Amino acid sequence: SQKIEQNSEALNIQEGKTATLTCNYTNYSPAYLQWYRQDPGRGPVFLLLIRENEKEKRKERLKVTFDTTLKQSLFHITASQPADSATYLCVLQRGNTPLVFGKGTRLSVIA
Amino acid sequence: EAGVTQFPSHSVIEKGQTVTLRCDPISGHDNLYWYRRVMGKEIKFLLHFVKESKQDESGMPNNRFLAERTGGTYSTLKVQPAELEDSGVYFCASSPLGSELNTEAFFGQGTRLTVV
Repeated sequence: SQKIEQNSEALNIQEGKTATLTCNYTNYSPAYLQWYRQDPGRGPVFLLLIRENEKEKRKERLKVTFDTTLKQSLFHITASQPADSATYLCVLQRGNTPLVFGKGTRLSVIA
Repeated sequence: EAGVTQFPSHSVIEKGQTVTLRCDPISGHDNLYWYRRVMGKEIKFLLHFVKESKQDESGMPNNRFLAERTGGTYSTLKVQPAELEDSGVYFCASSPLGSELNTEAFFGQGTRLTVV
């Protein structure tokens, strides 16, 4: 069955540093990979989408890479701030099929 | 513009009782999805409506779960009778028609269901 692994359940970094979150997947060939942010008591909020034929995508301080050979995506937050503290979800999709979620990585940015 | 709204935000019921969750999607969004997250697990798909029609209900766990979307506006998800393993957070999401691929889904805040 499909499996998504996000590198760790929790990640702590110092304010101002770059946070790097990893998403690996198996038994799946997604056409699209999305990253969502989720705060406690809230629903997921869409951040970025990258297609299988794209290597990298950027949005402000966010950068996503997608390596379909390694079956891996990296999600970077540069110049991290305490307000970036949240759970980040890796989400895969292929065709008109439901979104497939990873468990998420809980990021804490320490001032 | 109002986002996706779910009601109630929390519900605690006894095993064997019935609970109905409601989702109001963003106005004009014909796609409506239900997802669930049980403790310690990832968010998983339950079903997908396009307007009032069920497009995909492959994620529904069993026949104790009934989803409806009369008139293609709000949706309800009924669990009857509830079991302990139904506890979790139920999310609703919506998106415009024609955006099934490669666009974002807008999520509600979720309903936390606890079956005791």
